[in-house]
Amino acid sequence: NAGVTQTPKFRVLKTGQSMTLLCAQDMNHEYMYWYRQDPGMGLRLIHYSVGEGTTAKGEVPDGYNVSRLKKQNFLLGLESAAPSQTSVYFCASSSSGRATGELFFGEGSRLTVL
Amino acid sequence: GQNIDQPTEMTATEGAIVQINCTYQTSGFNGLFWYQQHAGEAPTFLSYNVLDGLEEKGRFSSFLSRSKGYSYLLLKELQMKDSASYLCAVMDSNYQLIWGAGTKLIIKP
Repeated sequence: NAGVTQTPKFRVLKTGQSMTLLCAQDMNHEYMYWYRQDPGMGLRLIHYSVGEGTTAKGEVPDGYNVSRLKKQNFLLGLESAAPSQTSVYFCASSSSGRATGELFFGEGSRLTVL
Repeated sequence: GQNIDQPTEMTATEGAIVQINCTYQTSGFNGLFWYQQHAGEAPTFLSYNVLDGLEEKGRFSSFLSRSKGYSYLLLKELQMKDSASYLCAVMDSNYQLIWGAGTKLIIKP
């Protein structure tokens, strides 16, 4: 089973460029999340979705946009990349937003902004 | 503010036992999770505690004391493959996960 798949795995951008990260899950999960992981810090929630057509802001949403047009896909966009957005990005999904819903993570996308 | 504290790094010997502590201060509590993350890989779920006490799952056990805001992950019969970061996360009253920075566990032969 594929589970949660992220593309691309690696990307280098110049300041001001835009890009989109794609997350796809095949588990029919309602909830999907985008996190960033930086050294010495816990995972930080960027945006999340509780179902097709819905999105909501997380802890660090500035500079990012998301869309959930199809239940299985959750896109993360960077409109004008900044060096502060250099990070590893993880997509995750869960069947429930409650405490019983363990998160299933993608393999991560390593983004460097020069 | 909300805060999760866990040691940055720990070292243990193959075959031994290690305990990784996690203390938390959050707005409400709806459960505590432990995830394992090997270097360069995705986090994977290990355990979930919502009631006080010990939950055992094979070589791994997780303990919770809600009154003390404290949990630990106990790893027995350590194997080299247990070298990884261990992430503690608490679900707050809004069902948002608050993550610790993780504990890097180094296993030596």
